[in-house]
Amino acid sequence: EIVLTQSPGTLSLSPGERATLSCRASQSVSSNYLAWYQQKLGQAPRLLIYGASSRATGVPDRFSGSGSGTDFTLTISRLEPEDFAVYYCQQYGSSFGQGTRLEI
Amino acid sequence: QVQLVQSGAEVKKPGASVKVSCKASGYSFTGYYMHWVRQAPGQRLEWMGWINPNSGDTNYAQKSQGRVTMTRDKSIRTVYMELSRLKSDDTAVYYCARDLGWEGTAYYYGMDVWGQGTTVTVSS
Repeated sequence: EIVLTQSPGTLSLSPGERATLSCRASQSVSSNYLAWYQQKLGQAPRLLIYGASSRATGVPDRFSGSGSGTDFTLTISRLEPEDFAVYYCQQYGSSFGQGTRLEI
Repeated sequence: QVQLVQSGAEVKKPGASVKVSCKASGYSFTGYYMHWVRQAPGQRLEWMGWINPNSGDTNYAQKSQGRVTMTRDKSIRTVYMELSRLKSDDTAVYYCARDLGWEGTAYYYGMDVWGQGTTVTVSS
């Protein structure tokens, strides 16, 4: 099974700053199958990015995804207060990463 | 609007079984696979498997195989996830989540609509 490792574990930033979150796979993953989710405390996850770089419906354009092979990145260009949450990458139909907590 | 509504919280003893339901509305029930994902307290998300509501075909994660059964009832637009031989580390919030699926001639891979979650507690 492919293992996804996210870094950093916790990212401390301020509103207005840029956030860069990493997801590294133990083997090559098809870009079609790589998604990013946002989860706030006590809530269900929310799909942000699918196919490594396509934004889901309603997701602001400050969120972007990139990468291929074993290295994928989620970038939030200018943090808004509502963006502070936990972010997970996932290979479709398989495991999730351990998450990156984005904190103020 | 597109919505998934799950059944309520459950408390079970070790060795028992639990069956969680997920009722879909606002879209073509048979047109989208449904996934189940769980999250133990303070832990990462864990994908458990999917069911094709049209055919009833299933695909379970290796860890889930042998204890999980996903079924559906098309007449009431509901999918079910049953987990047997419960252990304390099955204590988690269980989510159903709709597959992105087809758009035109292209298939997109992700889970775009989620249920509210069902808390299952396994305790003696």
